Amino acid sequence: DGGITQSPKYLFRKEGQNVTLSCEQNLNHDAMYWYRQDPGQGLRLIYYSQIVNDFQKGDIAEGYSVSREKKESFPLTVTSAQKNPTAFYLCASSELLGRLLEGELFFGEGSRLTVL
Amino acid sequence: GEDVEQSLFLSVREGDSSVINCTYTDSSSTYLYWYKQEPGAGLQLLTYIFSNMDMKQDQRLTVLLNKKDKHLSLRIADTQTGDSAIYFCAEKPGSSASKIIFGSGTRLSIRP
Repeated sequence: DGGITQSPKYLFRKEGQNVTLSCEQNLNHDAMYWYRQDPGQGLRLIYYSQIVNDFQKGDIAEGYSVSREKKESFPLTVTSAQKNPTAFYLCASSELLGRLLEGELFFGEGSRLTVL
Repeated sequence: GEDVEQSLFLSVREGDSSVINCTYTDSSSTYLYWYKQEPGAGLQLLTYIFSNMDMKQDQRLTVLLNKKDKHLSLRIADTQTGDSAIYFCAEKPGSSASKIIFGSGTRLSIRP
């Protein structure tokens, strides 16, 4: 079945450590996104990528890094520079929004990161 | 600027209609969406409306768009326990075709 797979589902990190969240899609989508979800704040865009080897900062990119070496993969690294990393992280993919009128995003199941 | 606002909570009795409201700021938005998030899961698209439409109906769901007031609503008829979830309003801004802006989400709870 086609879809988006995020791993791990739960992750614990000590302060000062970097962690990488995995996101893989087999939908052949060009665009991929990382959102952060906090209670009462909805979804905030961290980074997005419309094509391999290219990505753009979203609204809250500080303390995060990404790579897009393959079309199907868009890993997110939460670095020690991120001051408040405990959150639920959601990865999504879509056809290129500029080309696709409706702009549906397909989401993974999410990764919950807790900093101890 | 691009901003989408919703109230955080809504509680309705089973069998009643639920109405979830949303306001947005970008008057050039081309599409507006409602996504549903069940506990511990990602979001799924429920429905969307193109900005030149006033209303869209799909089974128990009715979307109303007031473009003048930049107000979007989602009505769920005959609300069931399975409708318990967080509902997100989202827009595709005209100024930025490559991303979608989400609201804070409205948590819908159903009373027996």
